[in-house]
Amino acid sequence: DAKTTQPNSMESNEEEPVHLPCNHSTISGTDYIHWYRQLPSQGPEYVIHGLTSNVNNRMASLAIAEDRKSSTLILHRATLRDAAVYYCILSRGTSGGSNYKLTFGKGTLLTVNP
Amino acid sequence: EAQVTQNPRYLITVTGKKLTVTCSQNMNHEYMSWYRQDPGLGLRQIYYSMNVEVTDKGDVPEGYKVSRKEKRNFPLILESPSPNQTSLYFCASTRAGGGQPQHFGDGTRLSIL
Repeated sequence: DAKTTQPNSMESNEEEPVHLPCNHSTISGTDYIHWYRQLPSQGPEYVIHGLTSNVNNRMASLAIAEDRKSSTLILHRATLRDAAVYYCILSRGTSGGSNYKLTFGKGTLLTVNP
Repeated sequence: EAQVTQNPRYLITVTGKKLTVTCSQNMNHEYMSWYRQDPGLGLRQIYYSMNVEVTDKGDVPEGYKVSRKEKRNFPLILESPSPNQTSLYFCASTRAGGGQPQHFGDGTRLSIL
C-alpha cells in the first residue's frame, strides 16, 4: 500500500483555520485520499475523501495537489471539539477495490487552544 | 440512525476463558472488518469480510476467529484469550466500491488478566 507522511502534531487556536498537510508521493492513479479523525475514547470518524478534485463537506475541505502527491485537510474554523488525531489514508479504488482495509499510520495530533 | 454497534464496550476477563465481541451494522454494508489499536502501533486489521460467509485474514489474525452468517453481524471470537490480546478493538463496515468511507463502532476495551 502507498504510504502517507504527516506531521506528528499541530497546534491551532479556536475559531482559526487549520491546514493539516499530508504527503503521499507514491500514490497510484486509482488511490482515493481519505481523512479520518479519532477523538479521545472514540472510534475513527470519517471526515472527507477525494480522488483528484478538491472536495468540500460540512466538516471540512480537502485540497489535492495537481500531481496528487500531497493533500491538505482544511478545518475552516477550529473548535475545541476538533481536537483529535487526524489520519490521512490512501485506499485503492480499483474495481472490487480494497476499501475494506485502511492502513492507519500515526496521524497528526491536533491541539486546539481556547 | 446509521451506526455500527459493538458489545460489550468494556470487558475484564481471565486467560483462557472464551469470549465473543459482537458487532452489528444497520447500513446494509457488504464489507465488515475488525481492527485492534495498541499504543505506538496504530490500528491494525485482524479480519475482514466481503459478504456473508466470505471472510479472510487481515494483518494480525492469530488468536482470533470470526464468522459472517448474516450481513449485519460480524462477531469476533477469542477462543482462548491471552494477555497479549489486551487491546482496544474496533469494528467497521463499508459499502463495496472504490473510495467508500468506513464507519466505525465506538470500540471495545478488552483486558485479559
